[in-house]
Amino acid sequence: AQKVTQAQTEISVVEKEDVTLDCVYETRDTTYYLFWYKQPPSGELVFLIRRNSFDEQNEISGRYSWNFQKSTSSFNFTITASQVVDSAVYFCALRPDNYGQNFVFGPGTRLSVLP
Amino acid sequence: DGGITQSPKYLFRKEGQNVTLSCEQNLNHDAMYWYRQDPGQGLRLIYYSQIVNDFQKGDIAEGYSVSREKKESFPLTVTSAQKNPTAFYLCASSIGDKFFREQYFGPGTRLTVT
Repeated sequence: AQKVTQAQTEISVVEKEDVTLDCVYETRDTTYYLFWYKQPPSGELVFLIRRNSFDEQNEISGRYSWNFQKSTSSFNFTITASQVVDSAVYFCALRPDNYGQNFVFGPGTRLSVLP
Repeated sequence: DGGITQSPKYLFRKEGQNVTLSCEQNLNHDAMYWYRQDPGQGLRLIYYSQIVNDFQKGDIAEGYSVSREKKESFPLTVTSAQKNPTAFYLCASSIGDKFFREQYFGPGTRLTVT
């Protein structure tokens, strides 16, 4: 079965706090791709990162960082020094190699950053 | 500016009417997709198209139809057979399946059927 779990439905933090969004996935494929998207109130999904299953290096992009651990099937996303503009719904998605065109999206985590 | 446009942003229809949602992209992407998003849920794939004049059903295709006559355009028709059509509809495109590339999304159309 292909599945993505984002156990945190909603998170609220105060500006400048660090926050980690959890993503746990399930797939039997050995080759797969993981993604994070941001959906601000406007509704459009914004691509943040793609990671393939053979690359377990963590990545940092400005205030954003991602921790990919195959051993625990997790691909967590951390925002450092959060800002009000980070308020959005964040989706984790899985694209298994042998799953046709489908992306499997998690249910999303709504992040509210309070001033 | 390259991107994906969806129109209209809000759409209201009476039950029993078919309605067509527009999706246009100028990214020169081969693949296009339609997703449905319900409150508090992730995205579910309705239809996708890898190439002009070809499209495939996704997980929830019943009650929907699509066409792909031009590379840039992938309209979605919500038919009266769709039992619960009120939702947020997102169109996306990507370079091509074999590259497993990320998908780029349009701003969405919020459809309300009463």
